[in-house]
Amino acid sequence: KNEVEQSPQNLTAQEGEFITINCSYSVGISALHWLQQHPGGGIVSLFMLSSGKKKHGRLIATINIQEKHSSLHITASHPRDSAVYICAVSLMNTGNQFYFGTGTSLTVIP
Amino acid sequence: EPEVTQTPSHQVTQMGQEVILRCVPISNHLYFYWYRQILGQKVEFLVSFYNNEISEKSEIFDDQFSVERPDGSNFTLKIRSTKLEDSAMYFCASTDSLQGSRNYGYTFGSGTRLTVV
Repeated sequence: KNEVEQSPQNLTAQEGEFITINCSYSVGISALHWLQQHPGGGIVSLFMLSSGKKKHGRLIATINIQEKHSSLHITASHPRDSAVYICAVSLMNTGNQFYFGTGTSLTVIP
Repeated sequence: EPEVTQTPSHQVTQMGQEVILRCVPISNHLYFYWYRQILGQKVEFLVSFYNNEISEKSEIFDDQFSVERPDGSNFTLKIRSTKLEDSAMYFCASTDSLQGSRNYGYTFGSGTRLTVV
């Protein structure tokens, strides 16, 4: 059973393109997280959302609680954005425990 | 910027041996976590730790696993008798509140790659 589904699994884009990665979840959550995993394996936390929208530089994350859906957007994509982007949720009843999506592998070509 | 530090970065161990993975969370953080990622698979939650005790654990975190905060700075994950299927990248994370720190949520360490042979 997958509490978190991401799409697409793989994404290749030209430098400068606007990118959208989607995440759907099937359970009640206390928060949704977007993470970035670099080719070496390290994980960086990008956003934590419980409602609305957040922006950091060229990254924008939105969440629609009613539709149980979140999107991560990258504007003016750059090759250094190439990484795996992971959606994770912390559940309403177990706020300490995360469930992770399988990740979206993004490659931005110069 | 404060970091979560994990050591070693890579450990190779023989099946059946005990391993201890070490993490130094950010100093003012209160909630600590271990996750693992088997090669090619998604990240999985193992355990969360608060106030010197386990607050939640997953089905993966069986009697072979234990966690400890021995000295107020280190946070360790011990695997008593390693199996081949324990080979994975193990990540430590910490946060100062269950709602995550102000903007970015949780801080992850760079991981320990455990290889059981």
